[in-house]
Amino acid sequence: DTAVSQTPKYLVTQMGNDKSIKCEQNLGHDTMYWYKQDSKKFLKIMFSYNNKELIINETVPNRFSPKSPDKAHLNLHINSLELGDSAVYFCASSPGGAREQFFGPGTRLTVL
Amino acid sequence: RKEVEQDPGPFNVPEGATVAFNCTYSNSASQSFFWYRQDCRKEPKLLMSVYSSGNEDGRFTAQLNRASQYISLLIRDSKLSDSATYLCVVEYTGGFKTIFGAGTRLFVKA
Repeated sequence: DTAVSQTPKYLVTQMGNDKSIKCEQNLGHDTMYWYKQDSKKFLKIMFSYNNKELIINETVPNRFSPKSPDKAHLNLHINSLELGDSAVYFCASSPGGAREQFFGPGTRLTVL
Repeated sequence: RKEVEQDPGPFNVPEGATVAFNCTYSNSASQSFFWYRQDCRKEPKLLMSVYSSGNEDGRFTAQLNRASQYISLLIRDSKLSDSATYLCVVEYTGGFKTIFGAGTRLFVKA
């Protein structure tokens, strides 16, 4: 059973398009995250959610809109894609309270 | 200055070597500390948490010095399978804000 899953695994799209990445966790965790890992492999937090509520928004452009329909899902919608959005996006979950985070396999986004 | 800084690497070591990674963090409000491991084109996975008293898990030993805002990871008797990028991680705001270091790449050679 996959603990944290993301779809799609690869996403290739043109500048200006809108796309979504879905994330689901079956661990029963309360806290979920989105991270961006750029071409230099630097992993940076974008959003943290707890019980479907946004806790942290790390000065991410408002073209990025996370949505948590329930505790098990945290989706990421990106409007008007730009070249600089090309990266690997990781979803993660944790029980909260500064404990281990479990990462999804990542979504490799390429904007042409 | 980055919030979490690590040795830039890469480290190239022979099998059986002992290797040490260093990490410093700038936010004194940091609450929790971890080492994660990331294999090429894979997701990060927890290697170990880091406690103030220091902790060991098999060949891996982690140390934390809150006064110096310094974290270390020691790997003894390196194996080929230890080749990966090691990420120093600091959390605060009750675990909701997580800062990753840039990672140190380790290559263990036969």
